[in-house]
Amino acid sequence: QKEVEQNSGPLSVPEGAIASLNCTYSDRGSQSFFWYRQYSGKSPELIMSIYSNGDKEDGRFTAQLNKASQYVSLLIRDSQPSDSATYLCAVKTGGTSYGKLTFGQGTILTVHP
Amino acid sequence: NAGVMQNPRHLVRRRGQEARLRCSPMKGHSHVYWYRQLPEEGLKFMVYLQKENIIDESGMPKERFSAEFPKEGPSILRIQQVVRGDSAAYFCASSFGQGNTEAFFGQGTRLTVV
Repeated sequence: QKEVEQNSGPLSVPEGAIASLNCTYSDRGSQSFFWYRQYSGKSPELIMSIYSNGDKEDGRFTAQLNKASQYVSLLIRDSQPSDSATYLCAVKTGGTSYGKLTFGQGTILTVHP
Repeated sequence: NAGVMQNPRHLVRRRGQEARLRCSPMKGHSHVYWYRQLPEEGLKFMVYLQKENIIDESGMPKERFSAEFPKEGPSILRIQQVVRGDSAAYFCASSFGQGNTEAFFGQGTRLTVV
């Protein structure tokens, strides 16, 4: 079992729709969770962090965390073609006091006009 | 407000040469992480450093790879005697403190071994 697993892609949604990206993790001790966006040939860009169960909203992005189910998701509302990228779920490794991250393999999102 | 600066952006080395990748963290950040992204693979942790200290190098290959973060100057990831399998994108990330785990990535160095 992979430590951090993301729903297989690629994911294609029409412009204006909601894109839903999912991620599960195996380390029950994990406390910090992040979503990064990576455009092709570019570096990962932090778009959301979440630490507590429930929802966290920032503009068109909503991160959801359920520690009991070891599940974290990212919703993108009113998707735009500029949202087309690879989305990386990252989990801070449990048992460390520093920010060592384990990444999922990424989900490629395409938003078509 | 400069972000994390990595150089060079692209590096081509012949098999057997040495590669030196540099990373200057964001202003005020003293914690540096190196990650490697192989083609068609996800980001993998390599090493975590604070000034003058290697804290966690559990992701570093046992041979040919080394890292440092001196008191003055950038962090350096050094790969000796490069092989084709070392071709990848190497990313550096920095954070403000040990407990603050929001890490910001540099633009990366794309290493090609020919």
